[in-house]
Amino acid sequence: KAGVTQTPRYLIKTRGQQVTLSCSPISGHRSVSWYQQTPGQGLQFLFEYFSETQRNKGNFPGRFSGRQFSNSRSEMNVSTLELGDSALYLCASSLAGGEGYFGPGTRLTVT
Amino acid sequence: QQQVKQSPQSLIVQKGGISIINCAYENTAFDYFPWYQQFPGKGPALLIAIRPDVSEKKEGRFTISFNKSAKQFSLHIMDSQPGDSATYFCAASEWAEETSGSRLTFGEGTQLTVNP
Repeated sequence: KAGVTQTPRYLIKTRGQQVTLSCSPISGHRSVSWYQQTPGQGLQFLFEYFSETQRNKGNFPGRFSGRQFSNSRSEMNVSTLELGDSALYLCASSLAGGEGYFGPGTRLTVT
Repeated sequence: QQQVKQSPQSLIVQKGGISIINCAYENTAFDYFPWYQQFPGKGPALLIAIRPDVSEKKEGRFTISFNKSAKQFSLHIMDSQPGDSATYFCAASEWAEETSGSRLTFGEGTQLTVNP
């Protein structure tokens, strides 16, 4: 069974730009969660989607948004990028929530 | 704020030794406690998990010990190997009835080095 895939794996953007990251969950998994990982703040929850609906949201500004499609694939978008948004963005999937099976992440660098 | 405190920050163990990582939590509504292993350049991999109705769970060389009254849980790695060198994260989640969803709250991570 294929694992969670994330694209792109690496991304370099300039301050003020926006970015879209993609996540394909494990086949059959309907819950997709997004996390930000930085050396200073560790792993922090961004949001969770289930059946195309956001049902949990972390403490991040509105510049961070996401969506989920009918095939459970998910995208997250960050608008008006700031230097502090540089991080590893991780997607995790699960059948209905709870345990998370993580993808390899997208390394975002904002210059 | 819901928090999970993890210690130590770093740990050096000799090959064949026992690695022990501890976590403490505050939110008594947490009902799922997984441990993750992360290698450089990779995403966290689910290692082992426990629910609060059991005090211990063992899978191969990995054991979780859970103390509900103390609100603490720990990961024991028996016969530690150089290949176990990685960063380990404890986490906790609570099933939120109002959203029918959950979110993982992570500890700060422990950098484990197993010397040959």
